[in-house]
Formats: sequence, C-alpha cells, structure tokens
Amino acid sequence: AQTVTQSQPEMSVQEAETVTLSCTYDTSESDYYLFWYKQPPSRQMILVIRQEAYKQQNATENRFSVNFQKAAKSFSLKISDSQLGDAAMYFCAYRRARGGAQKLVFGQGTRLTINP
Amino acid sequence: NAGVTQTPKFRILKIGQSMTLQCTQDMNHNYMYWYRQDPGMGLKLIYYSVGAGITDKGEVPNGYNVSRSTTEDFPLRLELAAPSQTSVYFCASSYPGDRVVGELFFGEGSRLTVL
Repeated sequence: AQTVTQSQPEMSVQEAETVTLSCTYDTSESDYYLFWYKQPPSRQMILVIRQEAYKQQNATENRFSVNFQKAAKSFSLKISDSQLGDAAMYFCAYRRARGGAQKLVFGQGTRLTINP
Repeated sequence: NAGVTQTPKFRILKIGQSMTLQCTQDMNHNYMYWYRQDPGMGLKLIYYSVGAGITDKGEVPNGYNVSRSTTEDFPLRLELAAPSQTSVYFCASSYPGDRVVGELFFGEGSRLTVL
C-alpha cells in the first residue's frame, strides 16, 4: 500500500520570506500523481499544485513550486513571498495513475504559520 | 455552481444513535468519496463510488454504510454511533479517467461529535 509522510507537524515563516514543506512517499509504481492541498481554518480543501510523475519538470503555480525527486520519492512544496493568507494546514497526497478510482492517500499534514 | 454540498455542517450525537450525512454534487462527476479527518491528522478514505449503483470500501469503512442511487448524491450512514467516530467528514467528487489528473473537489466538511 502507498504511504505519504510529512515529517514537519508545524512550520513558521516570516511574511515575505520563503518556506519549504517536506513530503516523502512510498510506492512500487512508476506512474502516479502527487498533490499539495491547502486547508485554511474554514476547513475547505483547496488544491495548490499537482505533479505528474512522468514529467521531469517541476510544477509551478505563481508563488508555489515543487521539488519533485522521483528516485528519492520526495515531493517538497516551496512557497515564495509568503503572505498571511498562506497560513493553513498543508497536505501532501498521492494518487495512482491507473486504476484506483482516483483515490488520494494523504499525509498527516503540516501546519504553516505566517508571522507578520 | 454549488460544487459539492454537505449537510449538516455540525452535529452532536449520543452513543448508539444513527444519522446520515448528506452529500450532493452538481458537476456530473462519476467518482465520489467520503473521507474522515481526525484532529491533527490527514484524511482517511471511508468509502468511494465510481458511479450510480457502485460503491466500495476504503481504508476505514467499519461503522459506516453508503449508497449511490444517483450520480449527484452519495449519503454516508453512521449506525450505532461511537465516540471513535468523532471526526470531521469530507465528501469529494472528481471527473473519471485514469489519464485525467483528477482534481478532487471537496465539500466544506461536517463536524460530528459523539458523546
């Protein structure tokens, strides 16, 4: 079974600084997708960024980018120019590319605090 | 466009009571899911459905039941509520297809407390 591990329960960063959230995963498959979801205090789960494992290029979405290291099974999220609205729980998630009904496997989450 | 709608948003149950969490989506998604999120933890899959009339167990199905009579609705039934079922429940849906990098669309969650 696939597992996703986020080893940082909490992180904090000064506003406008850069922060990196870590995620590792375990799978025997070669084709899969990885996601970062944001959960603000409102509880709504919001997709931040996604990465297809067959793509070598790291995904970017505005201030959010990932460092995808397939051999190391590592998928970190970098947030640049942190803003107060970035404060939230961040979840890393894994999904098989074939079959599996698009079920996501989530990590335990990292709570990100932004200090003004 | 409402997306995924869950009701109720909050509920307190007594041990042994039963209830149904309602979930409906208006995006014509075939795939629907129920997750639970315990305090400080990630989401765990309870049940999922790939279409009307088809459901299957996820990682933590014990104590729950589901049905899928229409594409839009995917209710989650709790029978004989127990304190271990105190959690936040999320319904989600997605567009099907293996090669589709399917984003899951989540409801706002339902906080359930069993006392």
